[in-house]
Amino acid sequence: SQKIEQNSEALNIQEGKTATLTCNYTNYSPAYLQWYRQDPGRGPVFLLLIRENEKEKRKERLKVTFDTTLKQSLFHITASQPADSATYLCALEMDSNYQLIWGAGTKLIIKP
Amino acid sequence: DTAVSQTPKYLVTQMGNDKSIKCEQNLGHDTMYWYKQDSKKFLKIMFSYNNKELIINETVPNRFSPKSPDKAHLNLHINSLELGDSAVYFCASSQGGSPLHFGNGTRLTVT
Repeated sequence: SQKIEQNSEALNIQEGKTATLTCNYTNYSPAYLQWYRQDPGRGPVFLLLIRENEKEKRKERLKVTFDTTLKQSLFHITASQPADSATYLCALEMDSNYQLIWGAGTKLIIKP
Repeated sequence: DTAVSQTPKYLVTQMGNDKSIKCEQNLGHDTMYWYKQDSKKFLKIMFSYNNKELIINETVPNRFSPKSPDKAHLNLHINSLELGDSAVYFCASSQGGSPLHFGNGTRLTVT
């Protein structure tokens, strides 16, 4: 069966450390993988997109990797801050019909 | 200058009622969506419109009917509301598919 899995339990990280979130999928062949941030009571906000032929993408303190062999994406936040606390969602984009398949998200808590 | 705005933010109603949620985007995007986020936080697409034409219609009860009067608006009308319809509904828009820009959601509670 097709699945997208993100850590279901909250991830607690000490401020200043690197937070690493995982997105694993099975039986999909996505063309793109996207990461979004969602705060309580708000809609998801786009962070980064990585293509199937890209290994790594960076944006300021954020880094995303995409391993199509392992069927896994890792999302890193370096020098984490309490303001980074939120739920982070990964989404697979299959093909040209632009339909996204979403993970349930991982709640990240950065402790001061 | 909100990019994607939806109203109302909260909607509490009784079973059997009919209600509407409105969505507007000022980004000039050609595609708009309705998503449902359940209690487990999964986002599931319900509908997608491209330039006022329906292009995605997932398995959604026909009590749900989207209407797009123009490409900046996509409203969702729900007939005969049921308890299981309680969820957060998100409107989103995009240009050329991705990334998506979301509204802040409408929390629907059916009692």
